[in-house]
Amino acid sequence: GNSVTQMEGPVTLSEEAFLTINCTYTATGYPSLFWYVQYPGEGLQLLLKATKADDKGSNKGFEATYRKETTSFHLEKGSVQVSDSAVYFCALSEYNFNKFYFGSGTKLNVKP
Amino acid sequence: DAGVIQSPRHEVTEMGQEVTLRCKPISGHDYLFWYRQTMMRGLELLIYFNNNVPIDDSGMPEDRFSAKMPNASFSTLKIQPSEPRDSAVYFCASSRDTNQPQHFGDGTRLSIL
Repeated sequence: GNSVTQMEGPVTLSEEAFLTINCTYTATGYPSLFWYVQYPGEGLQLLLKATKADDKGSNKGFEATYRKETTSFHLEKGSVQVSDSAVYFCALSEYNFNKFYFGSGTKLNVKP
Repeated sequence: DAGVIQSPRHEVTEMGQEVTLRCKPISGHDYLFWYRQTMMRGLELLIYFNNNVPIDDSGMPEDRFSAKMPNASFSTLKIQPSEPRDSAVYFCASSRDTNQPQHFGDGTRLSIL
C-alpha cells in the first residue's frame, strides 16, 4: 500500500547547523510530494512541494528534491534558526487514486 | 484571502455530551478534509468530501462520529456521545483538487472530561 515514512524526532540542533529530515514513500502511481510545517498551537502550513521526478521544491531556505529512483523527498536547510523550531510533516497525494498520506511528523528544536 | 475557519477554537465538555465542530473552507476549494491529531496516533484523516459529497470515511473511528457538508461553504463534525478518548485537536483542511496542497485551519482543541 501507499505510505510515507519520515525520521523520528525530536531533532535538536544548534543555530546555523545543517538540517536534514529524511522522508521516503511508497506509491503505486505518480504522487505529488509535500512538506508541511506546524508551529505550536497552529494548523499545518505548506512549506514546499514537488509534483514530478527531479523537481526541487524550495521555500524560506528549505529545499527538497523528488527522487523517484530512491523514493525519497528529504528536507534540507543549510543554516537553521531558532524560529525554525516546529514539527515537520512529509506528505504525498495520488491524484488518480484520491489518496493522501501524511508522515508521523518530526519535531525540530533549534537552540540558540 | 480568508483561510480555513474553524470554530470553536477550544471546547471543554463532559463525557456523554454532544460535540459539534464547524468548518468553513476556502471559497473555490472543492475538497474538504477532517483530521484528528493526538500525541499517540499523530495526524489521522477521518473523512473527506469532494463537492459536498463524502468520498472516503474509512478513518471515522466509530458510529459516534458523523460529518456533514450541506453546502460548499460549511461542514460539521459531530461526536455523540463524546468520550474522554476523543480528546484531541481536530483540523479541517481544504484544497482545490487532489494534486494541490491542503490549507489547514487552526484547529479545535477538544477536551472531554
